[in-house]
Amino acid sequence: GENVEQHPSTLSVQEGDSAVIKCTYSDSASNYFPWYKQELGKRPQLIIDIRSNVGEKKDQRIAVTLNKTAKHFSLHITETQPEDSAVYFCAASKGQSAGNQFYFGTGTSLTVIP
Amino acid sequence: DTAVSQTPKYLVTQMGNDKSIKCEQNLGHDTMYWYKQDSKKFLKIMFSYNNKELIINETVPNRFSPKSPDKAHLNLHINSLELGDSAVYFCASSNSGRAYEQYFGPGTRLTVT
Repeated sequence: GENVEQHPSTLSVQEGDSAVIKCTYSDSASNYFPWYKQELGKRPQLIIDIRSNVGEKKDQRIAVTLNKTAKHFSLHITETQPEDSAVYFCAASKGQSAGNQFYFGTGTSLTVIP
Repeated sequence: DTAVSQTPKYLVTQMGNDKSIKCEQNLGHDTMYWYKQDSKKFLKIMFSYNNKELIINETVPNRFSPKSPDKAHLNLHINSLELGDSAVYFCASSNSGRAYEQYFGPGTRLTVT
């Protein structure tokens, strides 16, 4: 089965700096990679995703890159703000439809220091 | 409000007991999921139902039994609770063609003493 590894497990950055979270996956058949944000005591929420036919996707201050050859993908947050503090999860799946299992990384706890 | 709701939000019980967690979604989705998040925040799929049919059944003890009476509900029953079952259980839902857009419930924090 798929194995998703996520690094680092904790990350502290100064407000305004960038944060990068990296994930690797093992199954080359995986082709869909969402990222979720979970604020303290709240539910995970989808923030951005990328499909295997795309190398990079950007949405305002967040971007995700994918290297299919190396089987790794990364989340980039620029100009970080205190409200970006949360646990971030990457995930990998072989598709977007029901029946395609999502394998989650172990999470990165991001703290943005004001 | 349109949402995924779970009850109860907190559940404290003793080892050996049987308990149920209920999940309801009014988003019109046809697929529902149960996830377990352990103390290290690791989020792992347990079950998934599409149109009331089980489509994902991960390796979980058979003490865990999901039940989907209709597309809007997916309940989780746990028999003979063990200390290791302590975790936060999240229900989620999506449409089958957009499984990436999973809407998570608020979670149920289960503590087994």
